[in-house]
Amino acid sequence: GAVVSQHPSRVICKSGTSVKIECRSLDFQATTMFWYRQFPKQSLMLMATSNEGSKATYEQGVEKDKFLINHASLTLSTLTVTSAHPEDSSFYICSARDWGGRETQYFGPGTRLLVL
Amino acid sequence: GDSVTQMEGPVTLSEEAFLTINCTYTATGYPSLFWYVQYPGEGLQLLLKATKADDKGSNKGFEATYRKETTSFHLEKGSVQVSDSAVYFCALRWNYGGSQGNLIFGKGTKLSVKP
Repeated sequence: GAVVSQHPSRVICKSGTSVKIECRSLDFQATTMFWYRQFPKQSLMLMATSNEGSKATYEQGVEKDKFLINHASLTLSTLTVTSAHPEDSSFYICSARDWGGRETQYFGPGTRLLVL
Repeated sequence: GDSVTQMEGPVTLSEEAFLTINCTYTATGYPSLFWYVQYPGEGLQLLLKATKADDKGSNKGFEATYRKETTSFHLEKGSVQVSDSAVYFCALRWNYGGSQGNLIFGKGTKLSVKP
């Protein structure tokens, strides 16, 4: 089946620094990519939806200036957490839907971010 | 708003035991319902789905039936294996004509199967 990769799988950074997370669709073209955030024992919360070549649509309560999303190509989307703080520590998951818009979304394995 | 509630884990079973993971949803209408599974170190994978009332989704021995009367989509498997150990997520999504809404997930239920 389709594969979505994320890099890095785990990152530790100091407070105030920025962290970039990459999401790639490996064997299909993703017109739409999604970024989720998951806290321990909580459900996946959608942060934003991005379509290739256009600005991301952020969910209510998500700071677009803090969580920068770039969907520059049909196989790559990046999430940059700017000026990270300890409360940004979380598990970030990306997901991609293919060109055909079939019902299945493919998920990456997630990135664990720890901000010290 | 719309929401999904699933039983809290972790659930620990012995191999060949019967599995039920409860899932109920709150929504006005009839969304599509899904079960996703996340194996250790991997991304979520679609396990099964049902798009209308009374539909039964099935895959890999797992089944779930869309019950509109009880707004439920409980996941069942008759005989679990150690390899079924994973986190299971129930989810719903609306379909608007030709376009899709966003997935709304439950909190996930961790299943551990002991040999």
